[in-house]
Amino acid sequence: DGGITQSPKYLFRKEGQNVTLSCEQNLNHDAMYWYRQDPGQGLRLIYYSQIVNDFQKGDIAEGYSVSREKKESFPLTVTSAQKNPTAFYLCASRDRGGSGANVLTFGAGSRLTVL
Amino acid sequence: SQQGEEDPQALSIQEGENATMNCSYKTSINNLQWYRQNSGRGLVHLILIRSNEREKHSGRLRVTLDTSKKSSSLLITASRAADTASYFCATGQGNTPLVFGKGTRLSVIA
Repeated sequence: DGGITQSPKYLFRKEGQNVTLSCEQNLNHDAMYWYRQDPGQGLRLIYYSQIVNDFQKGDIAEGYSVSREKKESFPLTVTSAQKNPTAFYLCASRDRGGSGANVLTFGAGSRLTVL
Repeated sequence: SQQGEEDPQALSIQEGENATMNCSYKTSINNLQWYRQNSGRGLVHLILIRSNEREKHSGRLRVTLDTSKKSSSLLITASRAADTASYFCATGQGNTPLVFGKGTRLSVIA
């Protein structure tokens, strides 16, 4: 089955630690995205990548970093510089050339809690 | 940046009733989409309506779009307990990333 896999589903971090959230897709999609969701809130864009080896900052990129070395993978690192990292993180992908316009396919999410 | 804002923030209805959610946005768009999110899960795409369309149906879903008012509505007919979820509108323009609203939390009581 094609889809997006995020891991881990739950992650606990001590203050001052960096953590990396994994996002892997087997949909052959070109574009990938990371969103952050806080309780009762909508999604805010952290970073996105339209093609391999290229990525752009979203609205709340400070304290986060990404890489896009492979089409299938778009890991997100939450650094110690992110002052309020406790949130639900969602990865998504999109086929740029498809007939589905810019419809996104989402992973199941990763919940990060800072202790 | 352009943004959809859903109204109401929360909605509670009885099973079998219709649920209507509204979305307003600020700038011109190519399309508007609605997504559903079950608690603690990822979002699932429901329906997309393009800027040159006024109404679209998919099963029990009906979406309208009024570009002159920069607004859209999502109607779920004959709601079921399984429709309980949060619903988000998202606006798209070209290849720029979708921008999501804060969502409407729908509770359908059996």
